[in-house]
Amino acid sequence: AQSVSQHNHHVILSEAASLELGCNYSYGGTVNLFWYVQYPGQHLQLLLKYFSGDPLVKGIKGFEAEFIKSKFSFNLRKPSVQWSDTAEYFCAVMNYGGATNKLIFGTGTLLAVQP
Amino acid sequence: EAGVAQSPRYKIIEKRQSVAFWCNPISGHATLYWYQQILGQGPKLLIQFQNNGVVDDSQLPKDRFSAERLKGVDSTLKIQPAKLEDSAVYLCASDPGGRTYNEQFFGPGTRLTVL
Repeated sequence: AQSVSQHNHHVILSEAASLELGCNYSYGGTVNLFWYVQYPGQHLQLLLKYFSGDPLVKGIKGFEAEFIKSKFSFNLRKPSVQWSDTAEYFCAVMNYGGATNKLIFGTGTLLAVQP
Repeated sequence: EAGVAQSPRYKIIEKRQSVAFWCNPISGHATLYWYQQILGQGPKLLIQFQNNGVVDDSQLPKDRFSAERLKGVDSTLKIQPAKLEDSAVYLCASDPGGRTYNEQFFGPGTRLTVL
């Protein structure tokens, strides 16, 4: 069965530092990949997604992610973080063509940005 | 556009008691999901509805959990009787439906504490 690994559980950065959060999935084939973010006290919301085409996808608030099929990875990056990026980040995978649109989530990475 | 609504936001019960959660999806969204998010983990799908029919309930503990979406709009998730390990945030999400991927929109969740 599909699974998602996020290796960084807690990350603490200073403002202006660069960010990279790792995400790996276990099962090959055609997949749809997502990063969701949950800011303190707010709902889960979509940050960016990959379906096909250019493996470098750009999302909201300056985030981007790169799909590397050979490594089963979809790492999230931001060149310069801000205090407002403090949130929990979830990577998620959906197996394409399945009977359901089931999202398989990773365990999340809690990012704290210090001013 | 109004988002996904859930109530109550918080609930504290004792083990072996019953509890029900309510979700009203975004207007016109055919697909509705219930996820369970235990502390320190990512959301896990419990059940998916397409209109008023169940598409996937493979991870729903059917001996104690039940869910319905009788008129294809709002939905209720019930736990009877609750166990300590049911303490979690219960998230409802919805999307427009169809076989191609649609972004899932999440509600604020109901935080359940079982004592």
